[in-house]
Amino acid sequence: DTGVSQDPRHKITKRGQNVTFRCDPISEHNRLYWYRQTLGQGPEFLTYFQNEAQLEKSRLLSDRFSAERPKGSFSTLEIQRTEQGDSAMYLCASSLTKMDEQYFGPGTRLTVT
Amino acid sequence: GEDVEQSLFLSVREGDSSVINCTYTDSSSTYLYWYKQEPGAGLQLLTYIFSNMDMKQDQRLTVLLNKKDKHLSLRIADTQTGDSAIYFCAEVGANNLFFGTGTRLTVIP
Repeated sequence: DTGVSQDPRHKITKRGQNVTFRCDPISEHNRLYWYRQTLGQGPEFLTYFQNEAQLEKSRLLSDRFSAERPKGSFSTLEIQRTEQGDSAMYLCASSLTKMDEQYFGPGTRLTVT
Repeated sequence: GEDVEQSLFLSVREGDSSVINCTYTDSSSTYLYWYKQEPGAGLQLLTYIFSNMDMKQDQRLTVLLNKKDKHLSLRIADTQTGDSAIYFCAEVGANNLFFGTGTRLTVIP
């Protein structure tokens, strides 16, 4: 397995547009996580899935954000009506179970102009 | 488990040892992790330590854990220019990781 992959790697969009990112976890990993990382900060938790069920969302995940993992494999993160404050690196991670280490993808860097 | 602290910068000469420090808040954390992030890249898991251990060694990396003081450190022996990166410690929350702000390690040739 080649690890966690994310697409696209970079996205530039105008304020008000919608964007969607994709994450493909390590196969057979049941847990999938989304984090956001702004410049000079560590990653901050957004949400996680256990198989296809979204079990927790942080307060950072406003109503404009939605995440899905329809078949318990890949996941998408959509941001509607983007704002400049959404500019960040969006990181996806996966783990086999809750107690196992999380492996991160390369991230999608979003720039909202 | 939301207040993980690290110093922001560390510079060392090539061949010297680097020690990166971290303080965490949740005494019930079962695992503590060290991740490395190179410019523009995702996070690479370096090593981790279980909370009932005091020390873990993995090649050039040594992790020390002081549970009483909630202090974690990462020592890199014989630091190389390829070790230049940002290093994050992270503690395990209920369902996610809490990260520090990261320590930027610069290795001077």
